[in-house]
Amino acid sequence: ETGVTQTPRHLVMGMTNKKSLKCEQHLGHNAMYWYKQSAKKPLELMFVYSLEERVENNSVPSRFSPECPNSSHLFLHLHTLQPEDSALYLCASSQDWGEEKLFFGSGTQLSVL
Amino acid sequence: GDSVTQMEGPVTLSEEAFLTINCTYTATGYPSLFWYVQYPGEGLQLLLKATKADDKGSNKGFEATYRKETTSFHLEKGSVQVSDSAVYFCALSEKSSASKIIFGSGTRLSIRP
Repeated sequence: ETGVTQTPRHLVMGMTNKKSLKCEQHLGHNAMYWYKQSAKKPLELMFVYSLEERVENNSVPSRFSPECPNSSHLFLHLHTLQPEDSALYLCASSQDWGEEKLFFGSGTQLSVL
Repeated sequence: GDSVTQMEGPVTLSEEAFLTINCTYTATGYPSLFWYVQYPGEGLQLLLKATKADDKGSNKGFEATYRKETTSFHLEKGSVQVSDSAVYFCALSEKSSASKIIFGSGTRLSIRP
């Protein structure tokens, strides 16, 4: 148990659906991250939040919309996704932004049909 | 830009075999280097790290030595167990930009009893 919980574990959605991924951390950390894990590709950093403010946005399409209502919760809102967006989406946290040790959740396996 | 290249998997070994997973990196500065491990159905966990040249990181019988001259950080274990079956990610973090950890594409390791 790493203290970072993601729901749902699996999600299948059509290209016109709207869905949200949820991440919750119970570690008292100040920074939270979204990563995309695709087969045979490096992990891609999507968004970083520090103290509930977005500090990085790595050229992610606008069909992905993050939200951080407080330091314990992070959402990724999904809208009109493409099949190539199918991947494992991982949430992570660290004590502070810039800390080298990340704590990851188990991920949401997303399939876009 | 900075990058991490690791050997493609899957790697399949018998129990008690010697393990090497190769990792090389490209960086403009003097990064910290990491190995993360992802067990089935779980998120990534930090396995070991090294912060400067010739440092050796070790944990759970795994070792990796920071080799600046060859820009490498190969992961080794003398005698693998079935429980070591997982995906292993090599990663780096530039000290001047510690907010971003750059991951490799992962190497899947399967150990046969």
